[in-house]
Amino acid sequence: AQSVTQLGSHVSVSEGALVLLRCNYSSSVPPYLFWYVQYPNQGLQLLLKYTSAATLVKGINGFEAEFKKSETSFHLTKPSAHMSDAAEYFCAVSPFTGGGNKLTFGTGTQLKVEL
Amino acid sequence: EAGVTQSPTHLIKTRGQQATLRCSPISGHTSVYWYQQALGLGLQFLLWYDEGEERNRGNFPPRFSGRQFPNYSSELNVNALELEDSALYLCASSLGQGDHQPQHFGDGTRLSIL
Repeated sequence: AQSVTQLGSHVSVSEGALVLLRCNYSSSVPPYLFWYVQYPNQGLQLLLKYTSAATLVKGINGFEAEFKKSETSFHLTKPSAHMSDAAEYFCAVSPFTGGGNKLTFGTGTQLKVEL
Repeated sequence: EAGVTQSPTHLIKTRGQQATLRCSPISGHTSVYWYQQALGLGLQFLLWYDEGEERNRGNFPPRFSGRQFPNYSSELNVNALELEDSALYLCASSLGQGDHQPQHFGDGTRLSIL
């Protein structure tokens, strides 16, 4: 079964610093990968998705992620953190074939942004 | 464009009761997904409906069931409620199976079992 692992359940950065949230996937075939953000008491909002068209994917709010097959990684980055980026971030995987669009989520990373 | 809407926002039940959660997808979306977000268990896939049919089911007991109506809205029913069913239930919709369309989520129904 496909899965994703998010390293670090909590990440703290200073405002203006680089944000790096890690995600590794396990799959023999490169799957479809997604990053979602969840603000308190809200649902999930799609940040970006990888569907094999390009290895560097740009998303909303200045976030981007790079697909690295050799490292089975899909880390999320943002050059300069803003206070409004404080939220929980989820990496998710969807199988390339079969299983439809079922998403399997990582355990999430809580991002804290400090002044 | 209206997003995915879920009702009710909060639902309080006691053990053994039955709960019904509702979801209206984004206009034009034919696929509806249900996920459970329970404390300590993370986000888990429950059910997927497309064009009125159940297409996939997660590792949940049969007392979790649902349906999709002709207008593509959906209901999730949970029978014989147990304390561990307390969670945020998220509904998502997408344009359908093709090309792994991204899923758009509602704000969820928080189900509390007393």
